Amino acid sequence: EPEVTQTPSHQVTQMGQEVILRCVPISNHLYFYWYRQILGQKVEFLVSFYNNEISEKSEIFDDQFSVERPDGSNFTLKIRSTKLEDSAMYFCASSEGYEKLFFGSGTQLSVL
Amino acid sequence: DQQVKQNSPSLSVQEGRISILNCDYTNSMFDYFLWYKKYPAEGPTFLISISSIKDKNEDGRFTVFLNKSAKHLSLHIVPSQPGDSAVYFCAASDKAAGNKLTFGGGTRVLVKP
Repeated sequence: EPEVTQTPSHQVTQMGQEVILRCVPISNHLYFYWYRQILGQKVEFLVSFYNNEISEKSEIFDDQFSVERPDGSNFTLKIRSTKLEDSAMYFCASSEGYEKLFFGSGTQLSVL
Repeated sequence: DQQVKQNSPSLSVQEGRISILNCDYTNSMFDYFLWYKKYPAEGPTFLISISSIKDKNEDGRFTVFLNKSAKHLSLHIVPSQPGDSAVYFCAASDKAAGNKLTFGGGTRVLVKP
């Protein structure tokens, strides 16, 4: 069964450093998303991406965050200058349309 | 953000019995609801969904019921199996506003053999 792939599975970084989280969505999907889950909290929406542009973003997704689909297969989330509170599990997801989302296994980001 | 709420953080059930998970929502614009299952160190896995034009959807051992007037949905798992032990998330979306999912806090289910 096709799946969403995320790399790395774990990322440790120093506060203030830039990180790039990578995702390969399911190949025929058109919609791409990033969600995150801070330990002990709900899974929360960050951003959705369609037709090479952001279609929706949450208030969490400020100027420190950016997304890109650089080559037609990868979908990346960049955090420009990480803060302690960015520590979370980040999930990439994709969907064919406006229905079920398929999630990757996540990247555990730890900001020290 | 309390738009989607799962009031039971955990549930323990005997193998073979029914598991009933509940979810309440406040946003009347939500028109599509999903249940996801999550194992540790994995991403959420889609289980079953229901559109607001229906009140029931069934897929094998999983049935989702929607009560729009009460803004309540439930997931029934019959019969429960040890492999069903996981965290279950309810999620909702307003399709007219995009495909953003709003998640509940999750219910941890333990199925005892």
